[in-house]
Amino acid sequence: QLQLQESGPGLVKPSETLSLTCTVSGGSMSNSAYSWVWIRQPPGKGLEWVGTIYYSGSTYYNPSLNSRLSMSIDRSKTQFSLSLSSVTAADTAVYFCARLSYSYSGGFSIDYFDMWGQGTMVTVSS
Amino acid sequence: DIQLTQSPSSLSASVGDRVTITCRASRSISNYVNWYQQKSGKAPNLLIYAASTLQSGVPSRFSGSASGTDFTLTISSLQPEDFGTYYCQQSYTTPTTFGQGTRLDMK
Repeated sequence: QLQLQESGPGLVKPSETLSLTCTVSGGSMSNSAYSWVWIRQPPGKGLEWVGTIYYSGSTYYNPSLNSRLSMSIDRSKTQFSLSLSSVTAADTAVYFCARLSYSYSGGFSIDYFDMWGQGTMVTVSS
Repeated sequence: DIQLTQSPSSLSASVGDRVTITCRASRSISNYVNWYQQKSGKAPNLLIYAASTLQSGVPSRFSGSASGTDFTLTISSLQPEDFGTYYCQQSYTTPTTFGQGTRLDMK
């Protein structure tokens, strides 16, 4: 059974860089049928897509974060990572890593988040 | 960005009730809608994808439908484990976006 687990510091100072890692266990990251994402949820609020890293290694970021965000993947370690620079209190959130799967039906392809980590709370504060 | 508006924002219901949650898109998104359930302190769980396809392992009391830009999640007979917050998500275009959530609690 595939499992995802986030890790990283729970407290980051304003203007510094937030770095998180998601470790995938119980399966391989070498299947081109899947991509990998970060999603965040500020306390008491809804879900916000952060970014996606595709099997090819290419990335796509939320435009609202694009200039501060970087994602990478290490298939040999079955990990992918997030780096968000110049953080402010607005970046305080639970950060989830998840798997992006694809389904083909009726001539079209749809993607969805079918496996999630438990989430890790990151607070930005001095 | 495509906006998704869920209604109601919250509702109270009893075990055995039929519950319907609606998600309206700001423009046409075909059937590119997914539904998730989130319980307090936990990660979201995929229920339905492509508007009406039930994810493997999800009870058949959950169903989804679409009509134009309106998408509906229905729970045919509410069970105690169904309480929580429900989110719709569109994967029609990037950035993918979520509805604001519908909180379902016990009456």
